[in-house]
Order: sequence, then C-alpha cells, then structure tokens
Amino acid sequence: QKEVEQNSGPLSVPEGAIASLNCTYSDRVSQSFFWYRQYSGKSPELIMSIYSNGDKEDGRFTAQLNKASQYVSLLIRDSQPSDSATYLCAVKVGAGGTSYGKLTFGQGTILTVHP
Amino acid sequence: EAQVTQNPRYLITVTGKKLTVTCSQNMNHEYMSWYRQDPGLGLRQIYYSMNVEVTDKGDVPEGYKVSRKEKRNFPLILESPSPNQTSLYFCASSLVAAGELFFGEGSRLTVL
Repeated sequence: QKEVEQNSGPLSVPEGAIASLNCTYSDRVSQSFFWYRQYSGKSPELIMSIYSNGDKEDGRFTAQLNKASQYVSLLIRDSQPSDSATYLCAVKVGAGGTSYGKLTFGQGTILTVHP
Repeated sequence: EAQVTQNPRYLITVTGKKLTVTCSQNMNHEYMSWYRQDPGLGLRQIYYSMNVEVTDKGDVPEGYKVSRKEKRNFPLILESPSPNQTSLYFCASSLVAAGELFFGEGSRLTVL
C-alpha cells in the first residue's frame, strides 16, 4: 500500500463548480498535511496546510481532515480555468519518530476546469 | 525576494561523469530537502537536512550524496550518474522540519 494515495484523474469540472480532491494516507501517526498546486512545467507551490481534524478555509479553498479515517481532502469552490493544474497531497509524520523529516507526496490529481 | 535557487536548470551529461546540483535559499530556513519527480511516480524525497551538518535519507537516496555545511546551501551530488537518474529535481526549504515547503524552479537532468 502506498503511503499517500490520490486518484490521478484527470478530474474535469465546469467553470463555477466545486472541485473535490481526495487523499488517503497509511501512517496513523501522521500529524501534518499539505496541499500543493503544480502548474505544468512549474514547481509546486503551497496552497493549504492543515494539522487538526475538521475544516480549514482560505478563500475559495477548503481543506478537510479526518484522522480517524485517514483522509484529507481539498475543495475548490467556484472553480476557474486558472485552477487547472496538478494538485499534490503531502503528509508528514509527527515529531519524535525516526521519519520526522520526511514529507511524503501523493502522485497528484490532474484537475481541468473547462469554460 | 524570498527564493530557493537551483543551478543548473538544465543539464545533459554522460554516464559516470560526476556532477553537482547546487541549491541555495535566502530565507534562513532550518530544513532543506531534495526531491525527484518522474512521470507516474510523483515527487519522491531523496535526502533532507534538519539543520547544518544534519542530513538523512529520504525514500530514494541510492546514487546520491548531500552535504549541509552552511545553512543556506544544500548541494546534491551525483558521483557516478546513470541513465535511471534522468529526472526533474527539486530543492525545497522550510522554516521548520518538513513544514510548508518553498520549492526551487527545478533542475532537469538527462544522463546519456
């Protein structure tokens, strides 16, 4: 089982719709969770970080974390064509473990927002 | 401007010819890390450094070396490159260990 899994997509949504991106992880001691966006030919850039169960909102983006079910999701409201990119989920193991410095990425989900 | 700078951005080399990819950050970050990105495999961590003189292996360290003699620099060394090291390489840094990463622009390496 992969440590961090994402549906590679592509996920296609119409402009103005809600895009829902999901990520599951295998290590129960994981403590920190991140969503990155990567445009084609560019480097990843951080969108959201989330550390505790529940929802965290930032503009059109909402990250949701459920540690009991070991999943984290990203919702993009009012999707725009400029949101078309690959979205990467990343998970960090908590402090004190031998893998404390490791940040593991999923394979990414390709999102296409069509006008 | 806060940034992570990698050099070279593009490189074509031959099997066995030692090369170094430099990485420098100007944000006084404690943590730095190298990743490689391959189609279908995503971003995989090669090495990371929690602070000066502290480095550790990531998921795919074979064939690579790193050093962290200064806080701002974290070079990636390929002592004897092989074709399976052809990849897109990213250096990243963060204020705290494996936190919110800032990525460099990437270095595309081709080993013939």
